[in-house]
Amino acid sequence: QKEVEQDPGPLSVPEGAIVSLNCTYSNSAFQYFMWYRQYSRKGPELLMYTYSSGNKEDGRFTAQVDKSSKYISLFIRDSQPSDSATYLCAMSAITGANSKLTFGKGITLSVRP
Amino acid sequence: DADVTQTPRNRITKTGKRIMLECSQTKGHDRMYWYRQDPGLGLRLIYYSFDVKDINKGEISDGYSVSRQAQAKFSLSLESAIPNQTALYFCATSDLLKTRNEQFFGPGTRLTVL
Repeated sequence: QKEVEQDPGPLSVPEGAIVSLNCTYSNSAFQYFMWYRQYSRKGPELLMYTYSSGNKEDGRFTAQVDKSSKYISLFIRDSQPSDSATYLCAMSAITGANSKLTFGKGITLSVRP
Repeated sequence: DADVTQTPRNRITKTGKRIMLECSQTKGHDRMYWYRQDPGLGLRLIYYSFDVKDINKGEISDGYSVSRQAQAKFSLSLESAIPNQTALYFCATSDLLKTRNEQFFGPGTRLTVL
């Protein structure tokens, strides 16, 4: 079993839809959870950063972590064509000396006008 | 604006050739990483360096080598390129004190090995 599993998609939704993107993981030591957004022909950029369990909201984006289920989600409200990109989840066991990230494979989202 | 740059942005080469991809950063970060990205396989870590004297293998280091020439420079070499090294390569940086474990990525190098 891979440490991080992410539905490969692709996903296509109409403008204005609520989008739910998810990752599951197997390593119970993961404590830091991130979502990166990658536009075509660009490098990934950090979108959301969450420590431990709970929710974090930033504008139209909400990141949710459920450590008991080893499940993280990214919700996009009122999706826009500019949200069309690949979304990668990433997680880390600790910060500091050994803080490598483990990435999901990414899901490509297309928001239709 | 502090940045992560990669050269070249695109490269086509032939099997058996030696190739070097270069990464420079003006962010002042101490840690640098090389990843490759393939469709359906996501980002995979090739090598990483936590400071100038530190080099570590990632999950797919075979066929690759790296050099950390300075805090700001980290090069990736393919000693004898083969077609299955065709991929998108990303350099990334982070900093123990400044960024926690958030990584900042360069724009990528698209490498094609014929």
